[in-house]
Amino acid sequence: AQKITQTQPGMFVQEKEAVTLDCTYDTSDPSYGLFWYKQPSSGEMIFLIYQGSYDQQNATEGRYSLNFQKARKSANLVISASQLGDSAMYFCAMREGADSSYKLIFGSGTRLLVRP
Amino acid sequence: DAGVIQSPRHEVTEMGQEVTLRCKPISGHNSLFWYRQTMMRGLELLIYFNNNVPIDDSGMPEDRFSAKMPNASFSTLKIQPSEPRDSAVYFCASSLGRDGRTNQPQHFGDGTRLSIL
Repeated sequence: AQKITQTQPGMFVQEKEAVTLDCTYDTSDPSYGLFWYKQPSSGEMIFLIYQGSYDQQNATEGRYSLNFQKARKSANLVISASQLGDSAMYFCAMREGADSSYKLIFGSGTRLLVRP
Repeated sequence: DAGVIQSPRHEVTEMGQEVTLRCKPISGHNSLFWYRQTMMRGLELLIYFNNNVPIDDSGMPEDRFSAKMPNASFSTLKIQPSEPRDSAVYFCASSLGRDGRTNQPQHFGDGTRLSIL
């Protein structure tokens, strides 16, 4: 079974609008972390935001926020006020266990295109 | 501060040749990861090290692939002999592992784009 599922291969959003990128995960470990990365066309992987399984509040980092619904095992990324520079691939990833040295499991990614 | 440094950025070589990819993790990070990214298979973890010790190499495709981490500031991924299907972008990432804390992200290098002709 897939550990991380991103069901949207591609999405469009109008500049200045908000967009939600979906991510669901599967784990039986009570301690885990969820991460979102951005990969622009230049190829580098950029860390955006983190949500821990025990965190009481949804994570926010500037225009990025994470809609964490633990019971539904979803960790959707919300980008507010989209900009042209947000056009990129976005990857959701999970780390199981209580140690930051553990590996990340990545989803297949969502390609976001921001329209002017 | 310097991020994860990978070299070379691009590598084009003929099949059968030995290829060596290099990685310098962020200073102070004690976990290092090698990934491969292709259109067909996405981002795959090949191997990862903690405190220079290989922890999980189950993602290494076959015996042609080997990875070493002789010290905390250097790692190599070697392919010998290389084949056209090894063409991909290879990423190295590092993180600061701490027991009981899951919130340290992995920081990625810019990747090595490998083409085997």
